[in-house]
Amino acid sequence: DIQMTQSPSSLSASVGDRVTITCRASQSISSYLNWYQQKPGKAPNLLIYGASTLHSGVPSRFSGSGSGTDFTLTISSLQPEDFATYYCQQTYSSRPITFGQGTRLEIK
Amino acid sequence: QVQLHQWGAGLLKPSETLSLTCGLYGGSFSGYYWSWIRQPPGKGLEWIGEINRSGSTNYNPSLESRVTISGDTSRNQFSLRLTSVTVADTAVYYCARRGAAGTGLWGQGTLVTVSS
Repeated sequence: DIQMTQSPSSLSASVGDRVTITCRASQSISSYLNWYQQKPGKAPNLLIYGASTLHSGVPSRFSGSGSGTDFTLTISSLQPEDFATYYCQQTYSSRPITFGQGTRLEIK
Repeated sequence: QVQLHQWGAGLLKPSETLSLTCGLYGGSFSGYYWSWIRQPPGKGLEWIGEINRSGSTNYNPSLESRVTISGDTSRNQFSLRLTSVTVADTAVYYCARRGAAGTGLWGQGTLVTVSS
């Protein structure tokens, strides 16, 4: 299995802050990396696919970068609705597809 | 508007079989993988497996011996069957549509509780 490791596991920040979440793959996954946002009691929402392409309707304050094994999700200016849990996912290998353990973003 | 709606039993006893179905409304089965993903209470996401329109499947090796995903393209539905459930299978189960542009469509989720 390709292991996906996110850091940090949790993060406290304030509205307006710039926040970066990192995801590292245990082997190269090219750009087969997606990011999701999940709020309590809801299904995840796709934010970014292909490491850096913004999904339709996602605000431009979200951005993604990286390739190979190291990836980042950046929120340029935190808004109140951004406080949630974020997951990365690799689809380079479907035996199996794997997610990071999640990063919980909380209000400071 | 394309939607996924899922249904199935929410309370099972150990050793029983979990059975969930997901219906696609307003879209086509072609060109995507149709996935099942689960999330134990308070924990992260686990990919269970997927099927495409031609019936080709991929399963998580950790569950493969107990999982079957099937599809009915005439009804635009796909189903999950997980045998011999235990308390460890208690989770919210999601159906979802995966394409080259990520998993952008999800069902509403079904909480399945395994308890004696």
